[in-house]
Amino acid sequence: EPEVTQTPSHQVTQMGQEVILRCVPISNHLYFYWYRQILGQKVEFLVSFYNNEISEKSEIFDDQFSVERPDGSNFTLKIRSTKLEDSAMYFCASNTGQEIYGTFGSGTRLTVV
Amino acid sequence: EDQVTQSPEALRLQEGESSSLNCSYTVSGLRGLFWYRQDPGKGPEFLFTLYSAGEEKEKERLKATLTKKESFLHITAPKPEDSATYLCAVQARGADGLTFGKGTHLIIQP
Repeated sequence: EPEVTQTPSHQVTQMGQEVILRCVPISNHLYFYWYRQILGQKVEFLVSFYNNEISEKSEIFDDQFSVERPDGSNFTLKIRSTKLEDSAMYFCASNTGQEIYGTFGSGTRLTVV
Repeated sequence: EDQVTQSPEALRLQEGESSSLNCSYTVSGLRGLFWYRQDPGKGPEFLFTLYSAGEEKEKERLKATLTKKESFLHITAPKPEDSATYLCAVQARGADGLTFGKGTHLIIQP
């Protein structure tokens, strides 16, 4: 069964450093998403991306965040200057647009120290 | 603001003991209500989408139902492998993102 693949599975970074989280969505999917889940809290929507542009973003997705689809297969989330409160599990999801549920990846655990 | 509240927060059942999980929601025009299963350290795994009040969907031991204010996930004769956190989420019309509840942590004891 097709999967959304995320790398790395765990990343530790120093506060103030830039990080890039990577995702390979399912190949025929057209809509891409990033969510985060702080330990013990709800899964929260960050951003959606379609046709090479941001479709929707939440209040969490401020100027420190950016997304990019640098080629036909990867979808990335960049955090420019990480803060302690950015520590969370970050999930990538994708769908075709014909079904509205998203298929999620296994996540990247980001730890900011 | 869209909101999803799930209850109970945690539920411990004996194997074979059926029960229901609740998801109450408020949304500005429902496009879809979703149930996901999440295992520790993993991403949410899709179970069901419900679109309108009165709709029901089934998969193995799980059955999801929807009213105008809440959804139930019924678990019939659960097995230990059904142990997981079950997440409810809604999508509003015109929105891309899902609004999730905190989930119900379900433990099925052999």
